[in-house]
Amino acid sequence: AQKVTQAQTEISVVEKEDVTLDCVYETRDTTYYLFWYKQPPSGELVFLIRRNSFDEQNEISGRYSWNFQKSTSSFNFTITASQVVDSAVYFCALSGPTGANNLFFGTGTRLTVIP
Amino acid sequence: GAVVSQHPSWVICKSGTSVKIECRSLDFQATTMFWYRQFPKQSLMLMATSNEGSKATYEQGVEKDKFLINHASLTLSTLTVTSAHPEDSSFYICSARVTGSPQHFGDGTRLSIL
Repeated sequence: AQKVTQAQTEISVVEKEDVTLDCVYETRDTTYYLFWYKQPPSGELVFLIRRNSFDEQNEISGRYSWNFQKSTSSFNFTITASQVVDSAVYFCALSGPTGANNLFFGTGTRLTVIP
Repeated sequence: GAVVSQHPSWVICKSGTSVKIECRSLDFQATTMFWYRQFPKQSLMLMATSNEGSKATYEQGVEKDKFLINHASLTLSTLTVTSAHPEDSSFYICSARVTGSPQHFGDGTRLSIL
């Protein structure tokens, strides 16, 4: 069975602080894909990243970085120097071998950045 | 980047009416579209997967006669909530993809049944 756990329900940080959002997954597939999406208060889901299970290289995109560790089944997301506009709910998701089938979402982490 | 448009963004209607929600891929032809439902402060739950020209595949527990999905073209899928009741009030969000690419989501539709 596939499962995504985001243990942090809500996080509050002061602007400019760094924050890491945790994601732990379970799957029996040997090939799978992991995603992060951002859902701001307006409701739309914004795609942030897709990573396949064979690529454990960490990725950095501006203030965002992702740490994928197969050994611990984790795919954590770090925002550096957080800004108020980063306030949103962040979802980690998992899909099977094709990378674009059903997405299994975690329960999300609500991040509030305080000015 | 890929754009998915969902309409309407907010619907308020009386109990017993049927509501149609449209999902369009604006700048690409989507091989597959997905419909999700999200209750307040909860995660997204997949309702159904639809491929153009074929019947939708519904997830366990989702009533296909209640939530009618039509995927008539590569750029349009519709979800009709038939005889809606207050318990159907939710945030419905669609996504679309081309084979091999990530899902791109619409802005969502907030449905409120009085």
